Amino acid sequence: GEDVEQSLFLSVREGDSSVINCTYTDSSSTYLYWYKQEPGAGLQLLTYIFSNMDMKQDQRLTVLLNKKDKHLSLRIADTQTGDSAIYFCAESTTGGGNKLTFGTGTQLKVEL
Amino acid sequence: ETGVTQTPRHLVMGMTNKKSLKCEQHLGHNAMYWYKQSAKKPLELMFVYNFKEQTENNSVPSRFSPECPNSSHLFLHLHTLQPEDSALYLCASSQGYGLAGGPGVDEQFFGPGTRLTVL
Repeated sequence: GEDVEQSLFLSVREGDSSVINCTYTDSSSTYLYWYKQEPGAGLQLLTYIFSNMDMKQDQRLTVLLNKKDKHLSLRIADTQTGDSAIYFCAESTTGGGNKLTFGTGTQLKVEL
Repeated sequence: ETGVTQTPRHLVMGMTNKKSLKCEQHLGHNAMYWYKQSAKKPLELMFVYNFKEQTENNSVPSRFSPECPNSSHLFLHLHTLQPEDSALYLCASSQGYGLAGGPGVDEQFFGPGTRLTVL
């Protein structure tokens, strides 16, 4: 079955880079997503990567995909206090349509 | 109002109560979802409705009863809940479902959730 794993917590200092990691098990993943959940809010799509890509950059965000190791990471450059949130990794798979399998979420805390 | 809205935002209920959660989407989407979010656990998909028809029931106990009267509204009726059902219940919608259309079609838009506490 599908399984997506993330570490639960990450703490960084303001201005540093944050790297949030995710591993997944389904080799037929088509898209991999990063969602952000701010306190008291629902999940919001941050970025995504197609499974035939190995990197995608969008302003301060860099997504790296190692398909061989089934490892996905999200790097946030120059992390700000407004980046404090829970970050969810999710995958969708061939034949699964847009049924997403989510991880536990990583709570990012940005300290001054 | 835009996006996906959920009411109530907070709900406290006893195990013998009956209550309902409401979700409304103003995006013209065709698919709607219920998720359960518990601390330190992956987000759990509960139900999916596509064009008002239930297409997924992820082995959810019968004390949770969904209802989708039209593509814009989704309800979750609750009765005889247990304390372990306490969680954040999230609603989401997407343009399509099962189309493998990629993020443009498949992207799910989430509501803010209902924080449920069962005493």
